Amino acid sequence: LAKTTQPISMDSYEGQEVNITCSHNNIATNDYITWYQQFPSQGPRFIIQGYKTKVTNEVASLFIPADRKSSTLSLPRVSLSDTAVYYCLVGGPNAGNNRKLIWGLGTSLAVNP
Amino acid sequence: EAEVAQSPRYKITEKSQAVAFWCDPISGHATLYWYRQILGQGPELLVQFQDESVVDDSQLPKDRFSAERLKGVDSTLKIQPAELGDSAMYLCASSLGPAGAFYEQYFGPGTRLTVT
Repeated sequence: LAKTTQPISMDSYEGQEVNITCSHNNIATNDYITWYQQFPSQGPRFIIQGYKTKVTNEVASLFIPADRKSSTLSLPRVSLSDTAVYYCLVGGPNAGNNRKLIWGLGTSLAVNP
Repeated sequence: EAEVAQSPRYKITEKSQAVAFWCDPISGHATLYWYRQILGQGPELLVQFQDESVVDDSQLPKDRFSAERLKGVDSTLKIQPAELGDSAMYLCASSLGPAGAFYEQYFGPGTRLTVT
């Protein structure tokens, strides 16, 4: 199984940088790391995806160390609207690499004023 | 921007009744997913379609749940009979490719089911 482990919850304040780490010790060579954001009563939304080193887009950065056994989602200067649940998924582009699509509990981020 | 459509948005039904949910994925997306999400938990994959074929339904309670995607476009998920434990959000998602942990999944607004 492409199992991931994340903290259940995190607290932050507006304007701070938030780093959420995901552990994926059994990541396969062809696997990518993908993060989703979910607001209450909505479906998850794609945030960022990466394979190694660092990926940055207009929303977040994703840091992946050389051994790829973990990854860190970085949200710069969070606002109240970043309060959501964040999920880390691991999987490769081939259907055979899909294994079991397991979302886990995610990390519930609370941003306080 | 193209979106995944789901209906109804809300459904209240009594236990032992039948209920059905409909999903229309983004045009051109061959892969369609049905998820169940209980409050406070992550989405649980119920069934995955590639075109009209089922790729994974290992977590689908087949004694009461059924899903179809007859023409490889829209899809219906049915529960008969509904049980109290089926109360949850039912999410539909679609993606271009078959590997859901790699290809970006686009989610619909979901159907909130309450079984009384």
